[in-house]
Amino acid sequence: AQTVTQSQPEMSVQEAETVTLSCTYDTSESDYYLFWYKQPPSRQMILVIRQEAYKQQNATENRFSVNFQKAAKSFSLKISDSQLGDAAMYFCAYRSESGNQFYFGTGTSLTVIP
Amino acid sequence: GAVVSQHPSWVICKSGTSVKIECRSLDFQATTMFWYRQFPKQSLMLMATSNEGSKATYEQGVEKDKFLINHASLTLSTLTVTSAHPEDSSFYICSARQDPLYNSPLHFGNGTRLTVT
Repeated sequence: AQTVTQSQPEMSVQEAETVTLSCTYDTSESDYYLFWYKQPPSRQMILVIRQEAYKQQNATENRFSVNFQKAAKSFSLKISDSQLGDAAMYFCAYRSESGNQFYFGTGTSLTVIP
Repeated sequence: GAVVSQHPSWVICKSGTSVKIECRSLDFQATTMFWYRQFPKQSLMLMATSNEGSKATYEQGVEKDKFLINHASLTLSTLTVTSAHPEDSSFYICSARQDPLYNSPLHFGNGTRLTVT
């Protein structure tokens, strides 16, 4: 099974500043999808951003962007202009192109300091 | 779009009783749904993959007879925790992918907090 590693259990950022959350994964496949999900205190899982491995261009969604390094098997999430509402657990996830199963990292708890 | 409704949001039951949790895709069809369990401050643990019209696929270590899954239609999957015990207390989350989008993300329900007394 693929493994997804988030090496930062906790991170904090000052409001309006930028923070980067790390994610690495292990796979022998060439085609796959990567996702970042946010889980606020309500515990509702919310899709933040997704990346197709065949696309070289990094995905961007408003204040959220990724740095996808396929050769290094790295998929970090950058949050710009951090807001109080960004405080949550963030999970990195992997899915192979042909498979159904999603593999989740252990999560990073992000605190936003006012 | 792509809304997954999970019911109930929380439930308290007595030890030995059974509890059913429903997961519905409201505006899309889902041949496959997934059931996760999440302990406090931990990641999601996949319990089983629910397949419409066929048997669910359980992950290693998950008791099939305790966690009964039924996927009777393209929009509904149910998880029944049978003969619940306090150690079954947890947060259960269902999710679904939208058919037939190859790159569909997982859409999650709001989760069910189960407390067994």
